[in-house]
Amino acid sequence: GESVGLHLPTLSVQEGDNSIINCAYSNSASDYFIWYKQESGKGPQFIIDIRSNMDKRQGQRVTVLLNKTVKHLSLQIAATQPGDSAVYFCAEPAGGSNYKLTFGKGTLLTVNP
Amino acid sequence: DAGITQSPRHKVTETGTPVTLRCHQTENHRYMYWYRQDPGHGLRLIHYSYGVKDTDKGEVSDGYSVSRSKTEDFLLTLESATSSQTSVYFCAAAGRQNTEAFFGQGTRLTVV
Repeated sequence: GESVGLHLPTLSVQEGDNSIINCAYSNSASDYFIWYKQESGKGPQFIIDIRSNMDKRQGQRVTVLLNKTVKHLSLQIAATQPGDSAVYFCAEPAGGSNYKLTFGKGTLLTVNP
Repeated sequence: DAGITQSPRHKVTETGTPVTLRCHQTENHRYMYWYRQDPGHGLRLIHYSYGVKDTDKGEVSDGYSVSRSKTEDFLLTLESATSSQTSVYFCAAAGRQNTEAFFGQGTRLTVV
């Protein structure tokens, strides 16, 4: 079947390099952000989140940076591995009690051995 | 998949027929979502629910309706399927605000 990665922004890196995936958000009042990874044929899986009172958060091999001044998020993956090849999405829940959850278009990361 | 099951996983239907997709969760999550995923468009929100019988439209709600009569089930209905609704549909659920949502494995729907 057709890949969901077609026409998405793409990033191609060599195995072992660091990867940086970027995301712009629209609502300056947003106070929580999430990164997801989606492998081919699977549903998105949670990677890491960050709240607006933080600038940086680290996980295992991943770091998320938040720049509220320019409304920008980045996901950094250290020592990228072939298993990191996937589409990466940032998500920005809308404020209010309804918790509407919308996603960016995603970035296709390809790791070359 | 954190206890989220979508059914069916694959379906082929004819144009003009009604179709219902089911999302079932076992974690008592309050919030539930339906998305469609098409090449080049990422995940687009169709409808979502913030409680039993409380639903609202997403960005691509035309041609779709939803119902949530109990916490664990969120149904997506295509009243009269069209070829433009051929897509992969994902359900997600979140327990509370400012926490991650968990996704099902997706339903591939083909309208011929």
